[in-house]
Amino acid sequence: DIQMTQSPSTLSASVGDRVTITCRASQSISTWLAWYQQKPGEAPKLLIYKASTLETGVPSRFSGSGSGTEFTLTISSLQPDDFATYYCQQYNSYFRGFGGGTKVEIK
Amino acid sequence: QVQLQQWGAGLLKPSETLSLTCSIYGGSFSTYYWSWVRQPPQKGLEWIGEINRSGSTNYNSSLKSRVTISVDTSKNQFSLKLSSVTAADTGVYYCARAMPAGYIPWGQGTLVTVSS
Repeated sequence: DIQMTQSPSTLSASVGDRVTITCRASQSISTWLAWYQQKPGEAPKLLIYKASTLETGVPSRFSGSGSGTEFTLTISSLQPDDFATYYCQQYNSYFRGFGGGTKVEIK
Repeated sequence: QVQLQQWGAGLLKPSETLSLTCSIYGGSFSTYYWSWVRQPPQKGLEWIGEINRSGSTNYNSSLKSRVTISVDTSKNQFSLKLSSVTAADTGVYYCARAMPAGYIPWGQGTLVTVSS
């Protein structure tokens, strides 16, 4: 099974900061990667798919990049609503595993 | 707009079988896969498995011996059974549609607690 590793596991940042989260796959997944945002008590919300395509309705401050085994999620200017946990998920293979998550906290 | 509504028993004893069902509203099974994901308390997301309308399944190898996902196209529902549960199976269980673009939508989540 393809393993997904996210870093960091926790990130402390301030409103207005540029934030970058990294996701690494144990083998190449082309661009078959999605990013989700999850807030406490809620189901995950799809932000980005195919590594870099923004889901409809997601603010443009979110962006994704990468291919193969290394991917990044960037928030260009962190807003109060963005403090949450973020997960990557690969869907290159039948085992659609998730990364361990990155919690974005208020500094 | 497709919506998923899930339900099932929320409190189980060790060794019992977890059983959850997810209903599809506003759409049909179509050509997609339909998935189950779980989240232990204060931990990350774990992919459990998926099924399509033909009944073809894929499972997480770590759970495969205990998991059965089934489909009832006549009721527009799919279900999860997890046998021989332990406290480690406690968490929120979600159903979701596996689009080519990722998982959307998700069910509301069901908290399952395993306790003697």
